Amino acid sequence: QVLLHQSGPGLVKPSQTLSLTCVISGDSVSSDSAAWNWIRQSPSRGLEWLGRTYYRSKWYSESAVSMKSRVSVKPDTPKNQFSLQVNSVTPEDTAVYYCARTYDSSVDYWGQGILVTVSS
Amino acid sequence: QSVLTQPPSASGTPGRRVTISCSGSSSNIGRDSVNWFRQFPGTAPKLLIYRNSQRPSGVPDRFSGSKSGTSASLAISGLQSEDEADYYCATWDGSLNGWVFGGGTKLTVL
Repeated sequence: QVLLHQSGPGLVKPSQTLSLTCVISGDSVSSDSAAWNWIRQSPSRGLEWLGRTYYRSKWYSESAVSMKSRVSVKPDTPKNQFSLQVNSVTPEDTAVYYCARTYDSSVDYWGQGILVTVSS
Repeated sequence: QSVLTQPPSASGTPGRRVTISCSGSSSNIGRDSVNWFRQFPGTAPKLLIYRNSQRPSGVPDRFSGSKSGTSASLAISGLQSEDEADYYCATWDGSLNGWVFGGGTKLTVL
């Protein structure tokens, strides 16, 4: 059983950086068959994939083109976790943020979600 | 606007069968397999179907999925009141180089 737990501030000011962490239990961030993703959900934008990190002999990190390089997803192998940073946030970045595992063409495990509000 | 297109709502009576469609393009559904998720208010989406028609362990066989060309469908048979939820489709998009989702379908059990 894989468990994912997100943590981070629930309130971020406009123009600042949103930072979240996802701790993995029951699998390894260094798995050579899984990828570790961030997905957000808001009433206006629905479910939106933000980016992922994965290990295949070396580390890869990819982000959604729609985020215009504002997103960074990074692994933390000693702590078996991965992180999300979204730069220059605006109120449009207000959403529930989920971390999730992809494996065998499926998004099979999700964290519980964390509401992040962007407001001054 | 979501990349994948789903009807915003669907409904059915207990015991009947309902289907939910998901339409995409050659860069997503046309080239990769589809996932289906169920989401209750305030909770994370849960995987129901992967690889178009495979069910994870623990998902009842009342749920089935199919894909043809650039469209996919989720069918729920023997509808139950607890099936009332939001349903989403998703797949990898080779042009966007990322996962894409449908806008969701709210299922009402009458």
